[in-house]
Amino acid sequence: KAGVTQTPRYLIKTRGQQVTLSCSPISGHRSVSWYQQTPGQGLQFLFEYFSETQRNKGNFPGRFSGRQFSNSRSEMNVSTLELGDSALYLCASSLGLAAAQYFGPGTRLTVL
Amino acid sequence: ELKVEQNPLFLSMQEGKNYTIYCNYSTTSDRLYWYRQDPGKSLESLFVLLSNGAVKQEGRLMASLDTKARLSTLHITAAVHDLSATYFCAVENTGNQFYFGTGTSLTVIP
Repeated sequence: KAGVTQTPRYLIKTRGQQVTLSCSPISGHRSVSWYQQTPGQGLQFLFEYFSETQRNKGNFPGRFSGRQFSNSRSEMNVSTLELGDSALYLCASSLGLAAAQYFGPGTRLTVL
Repeated sequence: ELKVEQNPLFLSMQEGKNYTIYCNYSTTSDRLYWYRQDPGKSLESLFVLLSNGAVKQEGRLMASLDTKARLSTLHITAAVHDLSATYFCAVENTGNQFYFGTGTSLTVIP
């Protein structure tokens, strides 16, 4: 079974730009969660989608948004990028609540 | 906001020894997860603990959950070099939001 894939793997942007990251979950998984990992703040939960609906959201500003498509693929968008948005963005898929999560390799975003 | 504390933050141990990593959290939850992350890699799910008293074991790792004490432990038995990694616990609150600990960087020395 193919694992979780994320594209692109690396991205360099400048302040003020916007970016879209993509995540394809494991086949059959309907839940996709997004996380931000930085050396300073550690791992932080962004949001979770299930069957195209955002079920949960972490404490991030509205510049961070996402969506999920009918095939469970998910995208995350960050608008008006700031230097502090530089991070590893991880997506994870699972069968649903209280289930093991399977993480993708991550997208490393650098904001200059 | 739910706080999750792990200790120790850094752990250096000899092969063959036993040790325990602790994960304390600040509010009621009965869903706790353990993950492993190798340098430069993504996270790997180790255990899902869903009730008070839950105990899961896989190889040399055993995880337990005490929801009354708001404490989970990850016990390492007879450590081997391959276990060197960073271990994270994560707590899921009643709103289904995840809060991660700071991670424990484990180095197993031959």
